[in-house]
This record gives sequence, C-alpha cells and structure tokens, in this order.
Amino acid sequence: TAGITQAPTSQILAAGRSMTLRCTQDMRHNAMYWYRQDLGLGLRLIHYSNTAGTTGKGEVPDGYSVSRANTDDFPLTLASAVPSQTSVYFCASSDSGRDYGYTFGSGTRLTVV
Amino acid sequence: KQEVTQIPAALSVPEGENLVLNCSFTDSAIYNLQWFRQDPGKGLTSLLLIQSSQREQTSGRLNASLDKSSGRSTLYIAASQPGDSATYLCAVRSGGSNYKLTFGKGTLLTVNP
Repeated sequence: TAGITQAPTSQILAAGRSMTLRCTQDMRHNAMYWYRQDLGLGLRLIHYSNTAGTTGKGEVPDGYSVSRANTDDFPLTLASAVPSQTSVYFCASSDSGRDYGYTFGSGTRLTVV
Repeated sequence: KQEVTQIPAALSVPEGENLVLNCSFTDSAIYNLQWFRQDPGKGLTSLLLIQSSQREQTSGRLNASLDKSSGRSTLYIAASQPGDSATYLCAVRSGGSNYKLTFGKGTLLTVNP
C-alpha cells in the first residue's frame, strides 16, 4: 500500500542523547512535513521541505533539524533531547502546489526521560 | 495568523443519529480544507478534501461543506455507527512559502451502541 512509513513506532530516549526519526514516502510527493502532536496544543509544524534539497522552519523548529537529500526521505534529528520534546511526531507529504491534500504517516511516540 | 477552531470539543451520541461537526477559520484566504479522522494512538486518515472553489464534498455517509467567505466548514455524518468513534480534525491550507496546513484541535466523537 502506497503511503508514508515512519520508524521507530515508539522510543524511550535519555535526555541529552541524540536521535533520528525516519520518514519515507513512496508517492513521489515533492513536499514533506514534520509535525508534533501534544495534548491541548494540537498539531504544530516543526520543519518542512517543498522539494528535495530545500528545507524550511515551521512554528516550533528549535531543537530539531531536518535534511532532504532525495524525494522519498525526510529524517528529523534531535541533537540533544530534552523532556519537553516528549510528543507524538507525524511525518506528512503532499504534491507541490496549493490544491493538494496531505497524507500522514502513523507516527512515532517519543518519550524523553 | 490563521486560527482554526472546532466546536464542540467532544460529542457523545447514540448509534443511528445524524450529526454535524463544526470548523471555523479566521482567514478566509484559504486554498483548501481537509477533514481527517484520528483513532486513539494512530495516525491521521484523510476523509475529505474541499478546494476553495467548491461548496461540498461527499464520501459515503460523510458530507463536508465549505463557506469560505464566512470562514466555516461542517462535517455531516449520517446514520452514525460505533465505528465512527474517533477524533475528527479540520485543517486549512493557506498561503505562504509552504502552503501551510493549520489544524484545529479536533472534536472527540463517541457513538454509543
């Protein structure tokens, strides 16, 4: 089934450690996104990429970095995790342009202790 | 700044009832609006995508309407079933460098057998 694959599905991480959340899509969408979902705050955009080789900051980019070496992959890296980064992280993609909807992955539940 | 509000935050109905979920947005300059469903601990599943030029979209028992000028959308669910129990999220795609998707905080629907 075409879509977005995220890994791992869940992770417990010690504060101060680094981690990369993986996201791969097979729909050849140009644009990809990372969101975090927190109770009471909803979904907030962390970083985005409109096309391979470009990235941009969303609402809550601090403490996170991304890269977009090719169309299919959009990893999210936490360089030095802090407890406030405990959240559920969703990767999404869409075709370029304003008329297209988003497709979401199943999420990564991250707990920083 | 675009803001999306969903009312009610939670709704409990008996099986078989028709129901309406509401979504409002502050900036009417949107490109499209998307309704998602999220089951507990799961990712987001797209239900309906309405372009700014459209008034409604239908899929099975679901009907979504859009009144862009007044900043409102409704999701109508006919003959509700216990399997419809989930959180329903409304999101609007607005202008900017990444055609940003802004989410409401969702309506938690419970359909009682």
